[in-house]
Amino acid sequence: GNSVTQMEGPVTLSEEAFLTINCTYTATGYPSLFWYVQYPGEGLQLLLKATKADDKGSNKGFEATYRKETTSFHLEKGSVQVSDSAVYFCALGPGTALIFGKGTTLSVSS
Amino acid sequence: ETGVTQTPRHLVMGMTNKKSLKCEQHLGHNAMYWYKQSAKKPLELMFVYNFKEQTENNSVPSRFSPECPNSSHLFLHLHTLQPEDSALYLCASSPLGERDEQFFGPGTRLTVL
Repeated sequence: GNSVTQMEGPVTLSEEAFLTINCTYTATGYPSLFWYVQYPGEGLQLLLKATKADDKGSNKGFEATYRKETTSFHLEKGSVQVSDSAVYFCALGPGTALIFGKGTTLSVSS
Repeated sequence: ETGVTQTPRHLVMGMTNKKSLKCEQHLGHNAMYWYKQSAKKPLELMFVYNFKEQTENNSVPSRFSPECPNSSHLFLHLHTLQPEDSALYLCASSPLGERDEQFFGPGTRLTVL
């Protein structure tokens, strides 16, 4: 069946460090891939998405590339800020509902 | 502000109470969703409504009863809940398409005593 696997957190970084959060998926067909972010006390917000292989989604300095050959959609940011501290969810959209990973907590300290 | 509102934001209820969660979207979307978010567990899809019709019920216990009177409103009626039902309940909407993103509300934090 369809599934998403994210790296376990928490991830703790200093400000301006490089961030990678790994996400791999299992799916039939050609799903869309998403990264959502959840700040404390809030719902999920779409961070970026990619709808086909080799697409790169980007937003707010974050990037992720849809790699069909490795079934991956890793999230990267070159220089994190304290304000990036949140929970990040990778999600798969094979149909009208999304399948989410367990989430990775990122803590950035100054 | 994503255009999806949820009320109440916090709810404490006893196991014998009956309460309802409300979700409203102002985005003109045709699909609405209920998710449950528990600590240390992935988001769990509960219900999906497309054009007011329920299209998915993810084996949710009958003590949770959804209602979708129109494309803009979604309710989750709660009765005789258990303490393990305590969680953040998130509502989402989407334009209705397999590749469309979902827009989430801020959630209702539910505590069952």
